[in-house]
Amino acid sequence: NAGVTQTPKFRVLKTGQSMTLLCAQDMNHEYMYWYRQDPGMGLRLIHYSVGEGTTAKGEVPDGYNVSRLKKQNFLLGLESAAPSQTSVYFCASRKLGETQYFGPGTRLLVL
Amino acid sequence: AQSVTQLGSHVSVSEGALVLLRCNYSSSVPPYLFWYVQYPNQGLQLLLKYTTGATLVKGINGFEAEFKKSETSFHLTKPSAHMSDAAEYFCAVSEDGNQFYFGTGTSLTVIP
Repeated sequence: NAGVTQTPKFRVLKTGQSMTLLCAQDMNHEYMYWYRQDPGMGLRLIHYSVGEGTTAKGEVPDGYNVSRLKKQNFLLGLESAAPSQTSVYFCASRKLGETQYFGPGTRLLVL
Repeated sequence: AQSVTQLGSHVSVSEGALVLLRCNYSSSVPPYLFWYVQYPNQGLQLLLKYTTGATLVKGINGFEAEFKKSETSFHLTKPSAHMSDAAEYFCAVSEDGNQFYFGTGTSLTVIP
C-alpha cells in the first residue's frame, strides 16, 4: 500500500498560470480532502469529496476547482494562480467513520 | 460555527518533563475531537481522537487527552517528554464527521 500520494512534490508558477495537483489513494477510501497549510493559520479545508463524482466546498474554496472522476483520485486545479495561493497543499482520505490519512504535501510557490 | 483555539504557538519543555498542549473548541453539537502530529516536511499523523464514550483518550507514543465538555477543552498531555516528541501539534474538531477544522498549531521543542 502506497497510502496517499501527491504529485508534484514542489512547483513554481508564475501569476496567471494554471496547474493541477493530483492526489491518489489506494485504500479504497470514500472520502477525500484538499487542505492548504499556511504559517500561523493551521490547515484550512479547500474542497472535499464524499464519493466518486461528488465534491463540496470547504472553508476556503475560492480560486480552486476540484474533480473526483475516479474513486482513487482527487484533483485540485488552479485556473489562474495568484501569489496568495503560495502554500503547502495536503490531501487526505478516509473511510466512513474512520480517521484521515494525509499525503506528504505539495509545496507551491506562485511568483 | 466550529473553531479551534490552541493557546501557545510555541511550547518548550525539558526532556523528561510534563508536556501540556492546550486546545479549546467551539461547537454547537457534541463534537469529534482530534490531535495530530506533524514532523518536518511530512503530512499529519493522528495521535488520538475522541468520538463518544470515555472522556480520557489514550493515543500513540504515550500521549493522552481529556475531553472536558464544561470547559470546551481537549488538552493533550504526556507525562515525560522525549526528544523525539519535538514536532508541530494540531488540534481539530468536526461536528458532522465530514468537515474538519484545525487549530493553528503548537510547535513543541524538547530541551535536552
